[in-house]
This record gives sequence, structure tokens and C-alpha cells, in this order.
Amino acid sequence: SSEVTQDPAVSVALGQTVRITCQGDSLRIYHASWYQRKPGQAPVLVIFGENNRPSGIPDRFSGSRSGDTASLTITGAQAEDEADYYCNSRDTNGDPWVFGGGTHLTVL
Amino acid sequence: EVQLVQSGAEVKKPGESLKISCKGSGYSFSSYWIAWVRQMPGKGLEWMGIIYPGDSDTRYNPSFQGQVTFSVDKSINTAYLHFSSLKASDTAMYYCARRPSGAGYGDVWGKGTTVTVSS
Repeated sequence: SSEVTQDPAVSVALGQTVRITCQGDSLRIYHASWYQRKPGQAPVLVIFGENNRPSGIPDRFSGSRSGDTASLTITGAQAEDEADYYCNSRDTNGDPWVFGGGTHLTVL
Repeated sequence: EVQLVQSGAEVKKPGESLKISCKGSGYSFSSYWIAWVRQMPGKGLEWMGIIYPGDSDTRYNPSFQGQVTFSVDKSINTAYLHFSSLKASDTAMYYCARRPSGAGYGDVWGKGTTVTVSS
């Protein structure tokens, strides 16, 4: 399969931990990267590679992978984390064209 | 500071052509791929393809092959996304993103260019 799928929406209580998942066959081979997109703003890379954060991304963001599922975990979610989160991977041909459909995170 | 600055919003009619730009600064422009990403209203992100400013090597997502053209002028650190004949379905936000060689992600993004195609 050349697709990765995400749950459309997830919610978390302020200060709690939330896991956003991305599932697809290509994730058995390739790591996912994760982007945060807030309304009216450009996407921001929050996790890439095995579990790497770009400079400036808080350490409450972490990534992991198991089997065909990649996860973005936010430990101690903050109000400013409310956003859409997209996973990105390669397809099974290795072409880097695959985005998940996005997960809207609500922080309650 | 590494940044990508995109050209401003466009309003066009069907059939018109368009070229939007993405200017890089704060890094070696020729050494990183530039990716183009579409986001249609209310929809998710879609990789359109990538271009390498160093040698203009270009790869298109098959879904966009033949629909758009990428180009680059490395003398002014600028990449371009061309539409030869716009359709209403091209109405979207278009982002450029810097993509490290060998990586499958974009680490720096432009703020996006809104394109509206309407008669």
C-alpha cells in the first residue's frame, strides 16, 4: 500500500499525554515525520527520523514506531498544542510522496 | 535565519497561466531540494514534487505529473511553480519546503501562497 492513515480527531485534557498514530505498510520500512499545522500558519516539522526534534521544538513531543504504526506522543499537552498534525512517510516504492490525512488535536 | 519567502496571493481566471515563487535565504540554496505542497480548501497536505536547485533535477508526484512544472533560478535563490492553464480545481494554498538530500521530510516551510481560480 502507498497510503498512511490517521484518525481524524483526537482530544486530550490539558497536561495529559496524548498519542497520535499513523498506520501504513510503508511504516514497516520507513520512519514517519510529523508536522504541526495551526490555522493560518505554515506546517512546522516537529519530529523526523527515528525520534528527532528540530531546534526549538519542545521535548514534550516524541516519536516512535512499532510494526506498521508510527506515533507522535505529546507528554503534558499544552493549550498551544491544539492543531492539526500530519504524518509523512515514503510509499512502498521509496518515493517520498505520502502524507496522512491529518489528525485534529483538541486540548480540553 | 533560514527562511523561505513565497510570493503573494493570486486571483486568476480559468485558462490563465501563473508562476509563484519561493526565495530561500540563510542557507546554501543549491544544496537542498525544494518541495512543493498543495493544500486544497478543507483538505490535507499533498506533496506535488521536488526540485534540486544545484542541477534542476526534478521529481514529480505521479498525481501531479503534467499538471504543473517546477523551475529554479539559483542565481537568485528562487524556485518557481508554474501552471500553464489554471482550472478552478487548482484553487488551493501552495507551500514550498526545504528538503534535505536523502530525507523524506521538509524541515523549513514557506508561509504559503493562496491561489484562487474563479471566473
